[in-house]
Amino acid sequence: NAGVMQNPRHLVRRRGQEARLRCSPMKGHSHVYWYRQLPEEGLKFMVYLQKENIIDESGMPKERFSAEFPKEGPSILRIQQVVRGDSAAYFCASSPRLALNTGELFFGEGSRLTVL
Amino acid sequence: KNEVEQSPQNLTAQEGEFITINCSYSVGISALHWLQQHPGGGIVSLFMLSSGKKKHGRLIATINIQEKHSSLHITASHPRDSAVYICATNGDSGGSNYKLTFGKGTLLTVNP
Repeated sequence: NAGVMQNPRHLVRRRGQEARLRCSPMKGHSHVYWYRQLPEEGLKFMVYLQKENIIDESGMPKERFSAEFPKEGPSILRIQQVVRGDSAAYFCASSPRLALNTGELFFGEGSRLTVL
Repeated sequence: KNEVEQSPQNLTAQEGEFITINCSYSVGISALHWLQQHPGGGIVSLFMLSSGKKKHGRLIATINIQEKHSSLHITASHPRDSAVYICATNGDSGGSNYKLTFGKGTLLTVNP
């Protein structure tokens, strides 16, 4: 059973370009969460999605960032018009049900975005 | 606002030593996570705790809810244990385990 798959593992973009990060949850998992890890800082929650629905995007910057989890295919975190401050590691996690007190989160390997 | 503090920030040990990493938090929680992150690598969930103690192999995690404190212990440490260990809690999130507050991590280096 494959784990949470993220790609690309490394992505380099110039300022103003778009970055698309993909996350395929573990088989049987319908809940996806994105986190960002800025250099020298701790992880921070960005967004929680179920299939075709954004449940909680309270951690997402209001502009340039969007996320989706379509009925078919991976979840995508999209960053438009990237700036240097977007350089970070972006982690995806999944769970088979809402990660309340009963469940663990299963994390991917992360996508490391570098903005030149 | 929940704050999660870890100590030490950096820890260097010799192979075989007993390791303790501490985590303190500021608000009531219903669950605390310990995570492991290898340099440039992904994140692995080690433990989720709501009370008492859990053990997995050479790893032991304890939590004292009254004192708002948790510890992660590694017995008979090995160079492959070298990683960043991250504490995270669900304080302020209404009990949801996805909207965690993360510590900045403890970088552990175990020398042979």
